Amino acid sequence: DIQMTQSPSSLSASVGDRVTITCQASQDISNYLNWYQQKPGKAPKLLIYDASNLETGVPSRFSGSGSGTDFTFTISSLQPEDIATYYCQQYDNLPTFGGGTKVEIK
Amino acid sequence: QVQLVESGGGVVQPGRSLRLSCAASGFTFSSYGMHWVRQAPGKGLEWVAVIWYDGSNKYYADSVKGRFTISRDNSKNTLYLQMNSLRAEDTAVYYCARDGLPAAIAAGGFFDYWGQGTLVTVSS
Repeated sequence: DIQMTQSPSSLSASVGDRVTITCQASQDISNYLNWYQQKPGKAPKLLIYDASNLETGVPSRFSGSGSGTDFTFTISSLQPEDIATYYCQQYDNLPTFGGGTKVEIK
Repeated sequence: QVQLVESGGGVVQPGRSLRLSCAASGFTFSSYGMHWVRQAPGKGLEWVAVIWYDGSNKYYADSVKGRFTISRDNSKNTLYLQMNSLRAEDTAVYYCARDGLPAAIAAGGFFDYWGQGTLVTVSS
């Protein structure tokens, strides 16, 4: 199985801050990397697919980059409604998720 | 609009069986692969299984292989997960999710629509 190491596991930032989350794959996964947002008690929501493609309807403050083994997810200006847990997920082989990053407001 | 509605969750004793269903609407169900993803209480997401759009291939996570079976009835727009020999560690919210690409022929993909989830609790 391909292991996904996501960091940090949690972070606290102020409204308007730039937030960055990283995800590292245990082997080369090309660009088969997706990012999801999950709010408490809700199903996950797809934000970014294939490393850098913004899902329809998702605000442009969300972005993703990377290829191979190292990937980055960025919120350019944190908003109160962005409080959630974010997960990366690879699908080069059977899908696996990263451990998640809980984002809180400082 | 795309809608996925899971049902069939509940409390079950270890070693027993349970079948989950996921009713799909708002899209051509027979054109999309479908997945099950679960989340143990307070934990992260774990992919469980996928079935191709035509039911011709199925893949499972090692943690459920040999115990769980994914299936679909395209005439009823419904996805199923038969869970046998349940263990305490199978306790989780189970989500069905649509593969983001129609007619995808791969073990994985991205999940563009999710159901609300159904809770399975395995306890004596």
